[in-house]
Amino acid sequence: QVQLVQSGAEVKKPGASVKVSCKASGYTFTSYDINWVRQATGQGLEWMGWMNPNSGNTGYAQKFQGRVTMTRNTSISTAYMELSSLRSEDTAVYYCAREYERYSMFDPWGQGTLVTVSS
Amino acid sequence: SYVLTQPPSVSVAPGKTARITCGGNNIGSKSVHWYQQKPGQAPVLVIYYDSDRPSGIPERFSGSNSGNTATLTISRVEAGDEADYYCQVWDSSSDHPDVVFGGGTKLTVL
Repeated sequence: QVQLVQSGAEVKKPGASVKVSCKASGYTFTSYDINWVRQATGQGLEWMGWMNPNSGNTGYAQKFQGRVTMTRNTSISTAYMELSSLRSEDTAVYYCAREYERYSMFDPWGQGTLVTVSS
Repeated sequence: SYVLTQPPSVSVAPGKTARITCGGNNIGSKSVHWYQQKPGQAPVLVIYYDSDRPSGIPERFSGSNSGNTATLTISRVEAGDEADYYCQVWDSSSDHPDVVFGGGTKLTVL
C-alpha cells in the first residue's frame, strides 16, 4: 500500500537547523509531488511548500522562504525538509504528504515528526 | 492572500446530520478538499474535488461547493466521526500558487 514513513522526534536549540525525512513506498516516488505541512500543538494546519521528486523543483510558502529547503534522494525514495534558524515558534508536528496530481489533494500523509525547539 | 473560514466547532447528536462549512471568496470556482484529523493522528482525506469520496470513506460523507461556501456533510453521525475537519484549496491568484487550509472545525458528537 502507499505509505509515507517519517523520521523520529527531534529536540533542537534556538538557532539550530532540523532535517526531517519522509520515505515513500508502494508507488513510484518520482511520479508525485511531496508537500510539507506543519501543525503547532492545538493549532491548525500550515502549508510549508512542495517538491517535485523527479525534477527537484520546489515551491515554498512565502513565510518560510529563505529558511526552508526541500530535497530528495531518488535512489532511496526519500524526501527531506530542512528548516534553519529555528525558534520556539517552530515547535510543531511536521507532516509530509503526497500530492495526488498537480494542484490537488494530499493523500496519504506521513505519521508526523515532532520537532521541539527549546533552550 | 486567500482566506478560508470555518466555524470553530459544530455539535451534533448521534444519528443526525452534521454540516461543516468552509467560506471563501468565490470558492465555488476552486476545487475543495476535506481532511479528518483525530487526536494524535495525521490528517486523512475524506472528500476531494468538492464531492468525491476516496475508497474506504463511508457514503455518509459527502461534499458540495457553490458560490462562497463549500460544505462537508456527514449523515447519520457516529461517535467515531468526532474529530477536527479541515478544508483545503490551492490559491492560484498569483504566479506562486499556494495551499490554503481553513482554520479547522471540531466536530463534537453529543
